[in-house]
Amino acid sequence: NAGVTQTPKFRVLKTGQSMTLLCAQDMNHEYMYWYRQDPGMGLRLIHYSVGEGTTAKGEVPDGYNVSRLKKQNFLLGLESAAPSQTSVYFCASSLRRGLTDTQYFGPGTRLTVL
Amino acid sequence: GNSVTQMEGPVTLSEEAFLTINCTYTATGYPSLFWYVQYPGEGLQLLLKATKADDKGSNKGFEATYRKETTSFHLEKGSVQVSDSAVYFCALSVLSGGSYIPTFGRGTSLIVHP
Repeated sequence: NAGVTQTPKFRVLKTGQSMTLLCAQDMNHEYMYWYRQDPGMGLRLIHYSVGEGTTAKGEVPDGYNVSRLKKQNFLLGLESAAPSQTSVYFCASSLRRGLTDTQYFGPGTRLTVL
Repeated sequence: GNSVTQMEGPVTLSEEAFLTINCTYTATGYPSLFWYVQYPGEGLQLLLKATKADDKGSNKGFEATYRKETTSFHLEKGSVQVSDSAVYFCALSVLSGGSYIPTFGRGTSLIVHP
């Protein structure tokens, strides 16, 4: 049981390049989330999904797209990377999107955009 | 809207000292409250949670009490260890606009010296 895994762990992009971050969970969780973590800003929700085939915008969705084609995977795409997207990205999942549910986090992806 | 305010860090303590990290919140409904911990180079993991007023969450010697009257959920530990050095995030979950949107504080860094 690996929990939540993220690929890659590190990436350096040039401005304008595109990339996809992969999140996978093996806990059969319904809900998945993408956050970014910036110094002094804490965690900010980018997009989330309440089930296979569904996605919704979070607090800071601009410049990102997501897809949830399979229940266990949640992809985060950057179509044209900008230096403002330099951050640490965390994926999380929860059994259901409920009031008391615990989120389980992946180890993070450190992205630098030059 | 919903928000979580944590005391600014870093908090620097000597081993065996008493720890308090303050957390206050504003919420449009009746939230559940959480403390997550992030060890260096890792993702966040749940430390403890409380789902209703006067509940006390506890784990690994840490505890926090849900105080509805003061909208607070302060984290305490009687005797910290070097291994407790990490970033601590207070968070809430509340029903808002038909969805449970998680909201995190900015995090408080704890450094414990031998």
